[in-house]
Amino acid sequence: DAGVTQSPTHLIKTRGQQVTLRCSPKSGHDTVSWYQQALGQGPQFIFQYYEEEERQRGNFPDRFSGHQFPNYSSELNVNALLLGDSALYLCASSSQTGVSNQPQHFGDGTRLSIL
Amino acid sequence: QQPVQSPQAVILREGEDAVINCSSSKALYSVHWYRQKHGEAPVFLMILLKGGEQKGHEKISASFNEKKQQSSLYLTASQLSYSGTYFCGAYQGGSEKLVFGKGTKLTVNP
Repeated sequence: DAGVTQSPTHLIKTRGQQVTLRCSPKSGHDTVSWYQQALGQGPQFIFQYYEEEERQRGNFPDRFSGHQFPNYSSELNVNALLLGDSALYLCASSSQTGVSNQPQHFGDGTRLSIL
Repeated sequence: QQPVQSPQAVILREGEDAVINCSSSKALYSVHWYRQKHGEAPVFLMILLKGGEQKGHEKISASFNEKKQQSSLYLTASQLSYSGTYFCGAYQGGSEKLVFGKGTKLTVNP
């Protein structure tokens, strides 16, 4: 049973560019959440997708956007990249049923470096 | 507003015990505990719910004090494999967003 898979594993971009990160949830999960984890910090919630709609959003600017596809996979897009966007981006999947009572299963993340 | 974890770091010898605390200024609905090893994804350990229900790890215990808005993770007879950074995540104040603390770095030495 495949867990959460993310691609790519590493990415290097320059300021002002745009990036797309991808996530496939664990089998049987319908909800995908995205987190940004800076070095030495806890994961910070970006947004959550369910039924192809953004359901919850954290304190991130509109440069951060996402999408969920009918097969529950998801993309995270970041426009106009800033140096401060350098971080590990984690995708987590869960079941929407009683979402706050369900564990989130994390992927290994995408390490994004901005030069 | 993120939950506050304490201590920030702890160093143990194998076999010793540790307690990691997580507190919130808002009402807690549920607390989730994860462990992350360097360069790896966070791994689910336990969920504690209002009303006392727990879901998770057999070898790790935790408590949830609703009145004090606190949770504590108890690691007993620590093993080398327990090393990592422990994060508490909380659903708090009616929000449906999981908010993580800054983490507690646990090092277990032989």
